[in-house]
Amino acid sequence: QLQLQESGPGLVKPSETLSLTCSVSGGSVSSGSYYWDWIRQTPGKGLEWIGSYCYCGTTYYNPSLKSRVNISLDTSKNQFSLELTSVTAADTAVYYCARESAYGLGGGRIDYWGQGTRVKVSS
Amino acid sequence: SNELTQPPSVSVSPGQTARITCSGDTLPKEYTYWYQHKPGQAPVLVIYKDSGRPSGIPERFSGSASGTTVTLTISGVQAEDEADYYCQSAGSSTPYAGVVFGGGTKLTVL
Repeated sequence: QLQLQESGPGLVKPSETLSLTCSVSGGSVSSGSYYWDWIRQTPGKGLEWIGSYCYCGTTYYNPSLKSRVNISLDTSKNQFSLELTSVTAADTAVYYCARESAYGLGGGRIDYWGQGTRVKVSS
Repeated sequence: SNELTQPPSVSVSPGQTARITCSGDTLPKEYTYWYQHKPGQAPVLVIYKDSGRPSGIPERFSGSASGTTVTLTISGVQAEDEADYYCQSAGSSTPYAGVVFGGGTKLTVL
């Protein structure tokens, strides 16, 4: 059974960089046709896609966050990471990592999620 | 544009049928997925490819699609079904451009 687990600081200061890691067990990040996603939920709002690392080696980012986001894959550690720069209070959220199955040219079902990690941006 | 519209809230009494809709211009060309999200928990996939039900999901959860609207139906709603529900669309012939979620619907069991 695949398991994903987010880790990282729960408090980040404004203007600094938020860094989170998703550790994957029960499967390999380098096998299969999957997108490795970061998704967040800000307080009182819905789910927001941040970005994805494609099994094909390409990264995709939400246009509204693109200038501040970097997602990378570390196959040696079987994990993938999120960096979000220049954070503000608006980036306070629960951050989820997830695995999305590729389907044809596009994506599809997200059937494995981490439990989520709460990050607060505050001085 | 690839926007998905859901009603903000739906309320039903236990045992009744809840229907949650998701509308979008691209839905006729794409599959829709539904997620149940309870506070403090990870979202759970309850319907895939419009009407498929993953193993372990109760039979009372079903999905259907018609034109630009897809519907998640929960028959015989139970108190444990109270949650936020999100739709997501994706197409096999559309190059990947990220994950698109609807705004979410809060299901309240009265």
